[in-house]
Amino acid sequence: EAQVTQNPRYLITVTGKKLTVTCSQNMNHEYMSWYRQDPGLGLRQIYYSMNVEVTDKGDVPEGYKVSRKEKRNFPLILESPSPNQTSLYFCASSLTPSGVETQYFGPGTRLLVL
Amino acid sequence: DAKTTQPPSMDCAEGRAANLPCNHSTISGNEYVYWYRQIHSQGPQYIIHGLKNNETNEMASLIITEDRKSSTLILPHATLRDTAVYYCIVRVVSYNTDKLIFGTGTRLQVFP
Repeated sequence: EAQVTQNPRYLITVTGKKLTVTCSQNMNHEYMSWYRQDPGLGLRQIYYSMNVEVTDKGDVPEGYKVSRKEKRNFPLILESPSPNQTSLYFCASSLTPSGVETQYFGPGTRLLVL
Repeated sequence: DAKTTQPPSMDCAEGRAANLPCNHSTISGNEYVYWYRQIHSQGPQYIIHGLKNNETNEMASLIITEDRKSSTLILPHATLRDTAVYYCIVRVVSYNTDKLIFGTGTRLQVFP
């Protein structure tokens, strides 16, 4: 089944404790992206990757890192999480960065930083 | 970046057509209009997209005005399972970026 998977789905952590949220897709998609969703603000793009070893900042990249060492995986890294990073996170992918190619979203990761 | 404006909420009777409007007056000529929906806090689900022409698929129809400054998503026969938040989105794509610009969406409540 074609899908985008994220792990963990739920995470509670404390300020300053490094964490990684994994994202994987099995559709051989070139493009992958991370979004965060906050009440009243909708979804905002954090980072994106046009292909392997190519990443760039989205609208809200502060406090996050990403890597794209292989096509299927695009982990989101919080080196020193803070409470303002408490949010619902979504990974998305599409075959290519093109207006006609649908972006598929993962199920989401709910993060609470104490 | 272009942005979208949607009413915060709408109601629709089951079996009737749901017409969800969206304004995107600053959209550029090469930017697509996409619609996604989100049920509870699940991942957004793709519905339909278009550039200039009206589009129809098994889920919905998309009507885009000639000046492209607004569009309407039509769910022809709404069911209770269509209750969700519907996002009208402008997709900005260039040689080095691909971004979905989400608004705050319309919460559609389908009632029996």
